[in-house]
Amino acid sequence: EAQVTQNPRYLITVTGKKLTVTCSQNMNHEYMSWYRQDPGLGLRQIYYSMNVEVTDKGDVPEGYKVSRKEKRNFPLILESPSPNQTSLYFCASSLHFSGRANVLTFGAGSRLTVL
Amino acid sequence: ILNVEQSPQSLHVQEGDSTNFTCSFPSSNFYALHWYRWETAKSPEALFVMTLNGDEKKKGRISATLNTKEGYSYLYIKGSQPEDSATYLCAFFDSGNTGKLIFGQGTTLQVKP
Repeated sequence: EAQVTQNPRYLITVTGKKLTVTCSQNMNHEYMSWYRQDPGLGLRQIYYSMNVEVTDKGDVPEGYKVSRKEKRNFPLILESPSPNQTSLYFCASSLHFSGRANVLTFGAGSRLTVL
Repeated sequence: ILNVEQSPQSLHVQEGDSTNFTCSFPSSNFYALHWYRWETAKSPEALFVMTLNGDEKKKGRISATLNTKEGYSYLYIKGSQPEDSATYLCAFFDSGNTGKLIFGQGTTLQVKP
């Protein structure tokens, strides 16, 4: 089944404890992206990747890192999480970005709480 | 930062009512507009991709139109059903910012039986 898989789905952690949210897609998609969803703010883009070894900042990249060493994986790294990073996170992918008709396929979401 | 606005923020209708929402986006540098449907406790799922001024798309009782010159898109739901209850998101691709995708805040629709 074609899908985007995120892990963990739920996580409660403490301030400063490094964590990684993994994202993997099995559709050979070139484009991958991370979003966070906060009440009243909609989905905001954190980082995106047009292809392997190509990443760029979205609108809210502060406090996050990403890497794209393989086409299928795009982990989101919080080096020193803070309470303002408590949010619902979505990973998404699409075949290409340059193709206008390429919609995003979203993962199931990861709810992160930083105490 | 580009601004994508959706209105209304929320909507409560009775089963059988028809309804529509608006997505407003910058009219310059238009590349594409996507509509997504997001049910509670699920992930957003794509409804439509709109790329040309005047585009009209339809899927069952849901349709959408696009006006790139004035910077808006309408989503229509004919004869709303309780299963249409969800948040509807539009997302704007700016041709000047390859890779960046700006989402609106969404319109949350509640359809009462």
